[in-house]
Amino acid sequence: SQQGEEDPQALSIQEGENATMNCSYKTSINNLQWYRQNSGRGLVHLILIRSNEREKHSGRLRVTLDTSKKSSSLLITASRAADTASYFCATARFQKLVFGTGTRLLVSP
Amino acid sequence: DTEVTQTPKHLVMGMTNKKSLKCEQHMGHRAMYWYKQKAKKPPELMFVYSYEKLSINESVPSRFSPECPNSSLLNLHLHALQPEDSALYLCASTEGQGVSLHTEAFFGQGTRLTVV
Repeated sequence: SQQGEEDPQALSIQEGENATMNCSYKTSINNLQWYRQNSGRGLVHLILIRSNEREKHSGRLRVTLDTSKKSSSLLITASRAADTASYFCATARFQKLVFGTGTRLLVSP
Repeated sequence: DTEVTQTPKHLVMGMTNKKSLKCEQHMGHRAMYWYKQKAKKPPELMFVYSYEKLSINESVPSRFSPECPNSSLLNLHLHALQPEDSALYLCASTEGQGVSLHTEAFFGQGTRLTVV
């Protein structure tokens, strides 16, 4: 299966702290994407990093990609209670977008 | 308009019923997807349509039947489902693609399906 593995499965932090989530995958990819899901509803795209990129920033988000290790990380800086959600990495290969196992993030005020 | 609209939001159906889930986007996207998501699990890919043709079927049971009437609409016809098919069904779309997916996916809010 191409499905990625994420760790930690769950993360609990205080507002203002940074949150780091890691994603590992098994096959070659076109790109890797990160999504957020609130309360089991629709997913919202956060950031896309191409296979020839190593790092990308978007606001408080920083994503890294190491294709030699088949791994990626998502860093959320200065977290807020509103960041509480599930975060998924997704690998794009050919026409498929396959999701990792996800990290549940809880940010307490 | 960057929305993907799914209807209905909730659906309860019996095992002998036939129902349909609908998905609509007006972003000009030419690839559309159905995903199934169980509680506390990641979304699992079911079907991919590219330019209104079914390009990927992830070995989904025939009681799920997708249809793409035009480039803006995607349906999922349901028949003789089992209680274990209860899940959140998510539709997504991406810009037109050839062999590879290079852009972000836009997701609808999903249909929460309960089979009784």
